[in-house]
This record gives sequence, structure tokens and C-alpha cells, in this order.
Amino acid sequence: DSGVTQTPKHLITATGQRVTLRCSPRSGDLSVYWYQQSLDQGLQFLIQYYNGEERAKGNILERFSAQQFPDLHSELNLSSLELGDSALYFCASSEAGTSDYEQYFGPGTRLTVT
Amino acid sequence: AQSVTQLDSQVPVFEEAPVELRCNYSSSVSVYLFWYVQYPNQGLQLLLKYLSGSTLVESINGFEAEFNKSQTSFHLRKPSVHISDTAEYFCAVSDENQGGKLIFGQGTELSVKP
Repeated sequence: DSGVTQTPKHLITATGQRVTLRCSPRSGDLSVYWYQQSLDQGLQFLIQYYNGEERAKGNILERFSAQQFPDLHSELNLSSLELGDSALYFCASSEAGTSDYEQYFGPGTRLTVT
Repeated sequence: AQSVTQLDSQVPVFEEAPVELRCNYSSSVSVYLFWYVQYPNQGLQLLLKYLSGSTLVESINGFEAEFNKSQTSFHLRKPSVHISDTAEYFCAVSDENQGGKLIFGQGTELSVKP
């Protein structure tokens, strides 16, 4: 158990809908990362927050947005969902905001868009 | 831009045999390199990392990787594998200017047979 929790574990929804994925980091970790894992794209970095502020951005679609709240939990919002958004979404957390600190990954949320 | 290439998508091997999982990266700056392991239906776990110093790094369960700057490689090796090493292995790269962003390879599925 990494100490990172993600809810829900599974999500099935229809095209055009909007969903919210939630992540609670390990106790004491200030940085949260979101990654998408799909068969065709592999593991891709989406976005990073550090202590409530956006720190780094990857190939995140405009239909996707995220935020980190004062209690340090984070939410990833996916809207106008398409079939291609079906994937495993991982959250990770680390003590600081640089990559020399280990990232601890949650178990993931599996999103299926039908 | 940074990128990672894992040269083998699948590596089948017999128990107690040696194994090498290959990883090459491209980057124009000094890099941090990582190997993560993903067991079925779980999140990723850090196996080992190279930040600086000794080019040979080891994990607690017998894996090692060597940073080779001239060949831009970070291959993962184990002299004798166990059934329990069956998993997917991901090589990743980052640097001190990327925040915590990790760029992952496509993954190598290691299958250890009795």
C-alpha cells in the first residue's frame, strides 16, 4: 500500500459526459501528479500540482482540468468524454515538487467510456 | 524533448535465468533515470533510480541498472529471476528543470516461467 488513495476504482460512463476523479496523497506529501495509461499511448504525464499551485503540464487535453485543494487532495475533471479517453488514470504524490523525490503511485481509476 | 525507448515489449525467461531489460533515452541535459515496476492490477512502484554519482544503482530485491552516458542507456539486469518478478517494468527519465514530470517508456512485460 503506497498510502495514495484514488476514488472511484472503476468508472463507466457514456460519451459526452463529465467525470471527476479524486486523489488523496500520502500524509505529508505536497506534490500530486496525474498520469494516463492507455494501450495505444502508454503512460503519459498529464499535470503536476505542488502545494496548491500548478507546477508542470504535459499533453493534457483542454477538455481535462485539475486542481489541488488546501487539504492537498486533488481532483481531475474530464469533460465531453470520448471513447479514446478510456484508460487507467493514476495519481502519484511526492514530498517535494522535483523528480529527485520518489513518486508514490495510487492504484488507479479505470475509466471506460461507452 | 526527452524520450525513452524500451527495446523489448515482452521478455520471457525461465526461473533462475539472468535477464536484461533494455532502456535508451534521449535528452539534451543531465538526466535523472528511473525504473518502475507494475504488478498486475496495481499501481507503479519505484524499483531504483539514478540521480548522480555512481553509475551502478541497485534495488533491495537484486535488480541493478547502469547509467551509460555515452550510449544513453539505463539497462536493468538481474542475475537470477524468480516467478515473483513477473510484472511490467517501465523506464522513465526526468531532469531538474522538469518539476517532477516523468517521461515513461512503453514498458517491458517480464514473464518468468518455471
